[in-house]
Amino acid sequence: AQSVTQPDIHITVSEGASLELRCNYSYGATPYLFWYVQSPGQGLQLLLKYFSGDTLVQGIKGFEAEFKRSQSSFNLRKPSVHWSDAAEYFCAVGGSQGNLIFGKGTKLSVKP
Amino acid sequence: NAGVTQTPKFRILKIGQSMTLQCTQDMNHNYMYWYRQDPGMGLKLIYYSVGAGITDKGEVPNGYNVSRSTTEDFPLRLELAAPSQTSVYFCASRSPGLNEKLFFGSGTQLSVL
Repeated sequence: AQSVTQPDIHITVSEGASLELRCNYSYGATPYLFWYVQSPGQGLQLLLKYFSGDTLVQGIKGFEAEFKRSQSSFNLRKPSVHWSDAAEYFCAVGGSQGNLIFGKGTKLSVKP
Repeated sequence: NAGVTQTPKFRILKIGQSMTLQCTQDMNHNYMYWYRQDPGMGLKLIYYSVGAGITDKGEVPNGYNVSRSTTEDFPLRLELAAPSQTSVYFCASRSPGLNEKLFFGSGTQLSVL
């Protein structure tokens, strides 16, 4: 069965520091992979997605993610975090019903 | 372009009451979804629809019902509310083809007391 694991429940980084959020997936075929961000009290906003091709994908707000098939990973990165990046981040894999299967999320806090 | 609109934003129910969460989209998407989000648990799929008149169960359908009489609307019905249904509910629609992505509503926070 398809599944997504986000090992880190909560991460705190200093403003200006680099960020990497981990995501591992379980899927038999070539996966469709997504990262979404959710600000408090808001819905989810798509940051980036991977369908095929270049394994390093660029998204909005300066985020990027790298698909590594050998590690079944799709980690999200940002070189310099801003205070406005504080939010919850969800990794997801495309399911067989056209839906998304989400990880449990990683909450990001940013220290000034 | 309003996207996906959910109403109400907040609701408190008593145990055993019923209610309908409304969801409408104006993007002419065929695929629509209902998720629930519980703290620390991510989003779980309740029901989905691939077009008007066609619905199917997701991962956690018990206690819920849906209908899809039009492309635009996908209401979620709770018949006998239980405390376990306290959650935040999100409706989403999916754009087709290579530009596939989910568009989410802003959510309905439901408490059952």
